[in-house]
Amino acid sequence: DSGVTQTPKHLITATGQRVTLRCSPRSGDLSVYWYQQSLDQGLQFLIQYYNGEERAKGNILERFSAQQFPDLHSELNLSSLELGDSALYFCASSPLETFSYEQYFGPGTRLTVT
Amino acid sequence: GENVEQHPSTLSVQEGDSAVIKCTYSDSASNYFPWYKQELGKRPQLIIDIRSNVGEKKDQRIAVTLNKTAKHFSLHITETQPEDSAVYFCAARGVTGGGNKLTFGTGTQLKVEL
Repeated sequence: DSGVTQTPKHLITATGQRVTLRCSPRSGDLSVYWYQQSLDQGLQFLIQYYNGEERAKGNILERFSAQQFPDLHSELNLSSLELGDSALYFCASSPLETFSYEQYFGPGTRLTVT
Repeated sequence: GENVEQHPSTLSVQEGDSAVIKCTYSDSASNYFPWYKQELGKRPQLIIDIRSNVGEKKDQRIAVTLNKTAKHFSLHITETQPEDSAVYFCAARGVTGGGNKLTFGTGTQLKVEL
């Protein structure tokens, strides 16, 4: 167990809908990262937050947004869902931004869009 | 941006043999190279990592080597066991654009046969 928690574990929804995925980092970790893992795309970095502020952005679609709250938990919002958004969504956390590069992954949320 | 290539995509070895997985990266400024092990349906687990100021690092049966000049790094698993069967991902931390972004390779499915 990495100490990173994610809810829900599974999510099934229809095209066009909006969902929210939640992540709580390890105790003391200030950075949260979101990754998408699909069969044909591997692990793709979406976005990083550090202590409430966006720090790095990857190939995140405009339909997707994220935020990190004062208690350091993070939410990833996916809207206007398409079949191709079906994937495993992982959250990871790390202690600091500098000198501590290790990222620890949560158990993931499996999203199925029908 | 950073690009990471990983080979082979599948690797089958006999129990007790060694396994080697290789990755190349494109950004010469990348400074941190972790390896993750992912079992089916589970989260990626950090198994070993190396920083750009180190050439080799060992942890029991696993080791990682880094050649900065050639921009490639490798994972070595000795005395393989059936429980080593999983997908292994390499990654590189880019320094351009800020943050702590990891770019992952496409994964290697390792199968250890009895």
